[in-house]
Parts: sequence; C-alpha cells; structure tokens
Amino acid sequence: GDSVTQTEGQVALSEEDFLTIHCNYSASGYPALFWYVQYPGEGPQFLFRASRDKEKGSSRGFEATYDKGTTSFHLRKASVQESDSAVYYCALGAGGSNAKLTFGKGTKLSVKS
Amino acid sequence: EAAVTQSPRNKVAVTGGKVTLSCNQTNNHNNMYWYRQDTGHGLRLIHYSYGAGSTEKGDIPDGYKASRPSQENFSLILELATPSQTSVYFCASGDASRGPVANSDYTFGSGTRLLVI
Repeated sequence: GDSVTQTEGQVALSEEDFLTIHCNYSASGYPALFWYVQYPGEGPQFLFRASRDKEKGSSRGFEATYDKGTTSFHLRKASVQESDSAVYYCALGAGGSNAKLTFGKGTKLSVKS
Repeated sequence: EAAVTQSPRNKVAVTGGKVTLSCNQTNNHNNMYWYRQDTGHGLRLIHYSYGAGSTEKGDIPDGYKASRPSQENFSLILELATPSQTSVYFCASGDASRGPVANSDYTFGSGTRLLVI
C-alpha cells in the first residue's frame, strides 16, 4: 500500500539555521503530496501541496519540490524562527476523487533563540 | 470561517465501557475522517465517510465503529474500550466537490485526548 517515510523524528536548530526535513513516498500512480504543520494543543494545519513532477509548493517561507524520480518531497526553509517549532507531517493523497491522505510519522522541530 | 469541532476535549473511560467521540463541521464538506495520533506512528486513518449515511473502513478500523447521521456530524464509537485505544483522536473534513487534490486540504479539529484505564 501507499506509505510515507520521514527520516528525522526530531530536529533541533537555532534561529536563522537552514532547515531540511526529508520525505520519501511509495505509491502506485501519481499521488499529490502535502505538508501539514501541527502546533501544540492543535490539530494539523495544511501548509501546502504539489500535484505534479517538478512542481514547487510553498507557504510561510517553507518550500518543497515534487521529485518523481527520487520519490521525494523534502521540506526546506532558509532561516527558521522560534515560532516555527512544531510537528511537521508529510502526506500523500491518492485514489481519485475521494483521495484519502496517508501521513508520515511526523518530525518534531525545536528552534531555540 | 470553516470549522471542525470535536467533543469532548478530554475523556477518561473504563476498560470495557462504551465511548463516543463526536465531531461537527460547518464547512459543508462531503468527506469526513477519523485519525488517531500516537508517538512513533503519526496519524493513522480509522474510518471515513463520503456523506450522510456512509461509513468506510480506514487502515486501522478494528475495535471502532463510525456513524454519519448528517452532513455535519461524524461520530467514532468504541463499543468496548481497551487501554490500547488510549490516544489522541482527530476528526477532519475535506471538500470532494473541489476535485481530488483540493479535497485533501483537510480541516482538522483540535483533537480529543482519550485515556482508557
């Protein structure tokens, strides 16, 4: 079945550091790829998506590029802030008009000032 | 603003008891979903629904039932709660009418923290 692998379980950075969270997927067909962010005490929030090869999604300074060749959708940000501390989930959606999301296990980002 | 509201926010249940988690959405979305969130597992799909009267099994449905009596409401039912069902449960809605990709821009509720003792 479909699956999403996030390599890092936790990432600890200082403000203004560069962020990379790795996401690889396995799916039949051509899934859409997503990043969600979850702040403490809240539900996950949609961050952005990409639905075709080489498409770049972005929001709030975060970005990721759909790479069908390497089956990857890595999250990057050039300069993180303390307010970016949260759990980040990579997800894929496949299955036609009623696609369900399959999530990775999440990566907890902690940024210190 | 579109919203998904879950109740209760916290629940303590006794092993073997019945638990009902409720979810209400004001988004007028067709699709609704129940996930559980556990450390080391991320978010896993339990049940989902395409509209009033429909329920479908997700990836981990065992021990759970679901009910969708209306467009707005979607409940998750644990008939015989067990300690392994201690978790944080999230409800989400998605708008299938906007196409498959947009449908996956889920709106999540704030979660229900369930402790089964």
